[in-house]
Amino acid sequence: NAGVTQTPKFQVLKTGQSMTLQCAQDMNHNSMYWYRQDPGMGLRLIYYSASEGTTDKGEVPNGYNVSRLNKREFSLRLESAAPSQTSVYFCASSERLAGGGTDTQYFGPGTRLTVL
Amino acid sequence: QKEVEQDPGPLSVPEGAIVSLNCTYSNSAFQYFMWYRQYSRKGPELLMYTYSSGNKEDGRFTAQVDKSSKYISLFIRDSQPSDSATYLCAMSGAHNTDKLIFGTGTRLQVFP
Repeated sequence: NAGVTQTPKFQVLKTGQSMTLQCAQDMNHNSMYWYRQDPGMGLRLIYYSASEGTTDKGEVPNGYNVSRLNKREFSLRLESAAPSQTSVYFCASSERLAGGGTDTQYFGPGTRLTVL
Repeated sequence: QKEVEQDPGPLSVPEGAIVSLNCTYSNSAFQYFMWYRQYSRKGPELLMYTYSSGNKEDGRFTAQVDKSSKYISLFIRDSQPSDSATYLCAMSGAHNTDKLIFGTGTRLQVFP
């Protein structure tokens, strides 16, 4: 049981290049998320997917696209990278807390992205 | 004003000390309060959560929620060097569609 896995672990891009960050979970969770983490800003939600086939914008979606390929996989694409997208990106999946109401989120190890 | 405020630290304490980590928030609709621990270059992991007000204890960790003051705390007793990490608070409302709102995290260093 690997939990949430992310690839790659590190990436350096030049401004204008594109790339896709991959995420997979083996916990059979319905919901998946993409966050970015920046110093002094905390974790900010980019996009989320409540179930297979659905995606919704979070707090900071501009410059990103996502694909929920199947229940296990949720990818994040940067079409034209900008230096402002230099960050650590975390994927997460979640399950309902016992008794309902909100979710427990499980995070991957992160991808460190630098855009020059 | 951010919905959730958290002192970034760093907080440096000797081994064995009692540590108090805190968050304040502005949204009275928050009902679920969580604490995540994040080791350097790792993803956050859930430590514990509470629903509404009150205390919850798990080993050396105690979470407190004071909804009247919009203030939550995490206490660590007998702190260990292995507790050195960044601690993030997170909160959400009670509706299924509510998303978690994270604090910026407090970096804790426990020295031997």
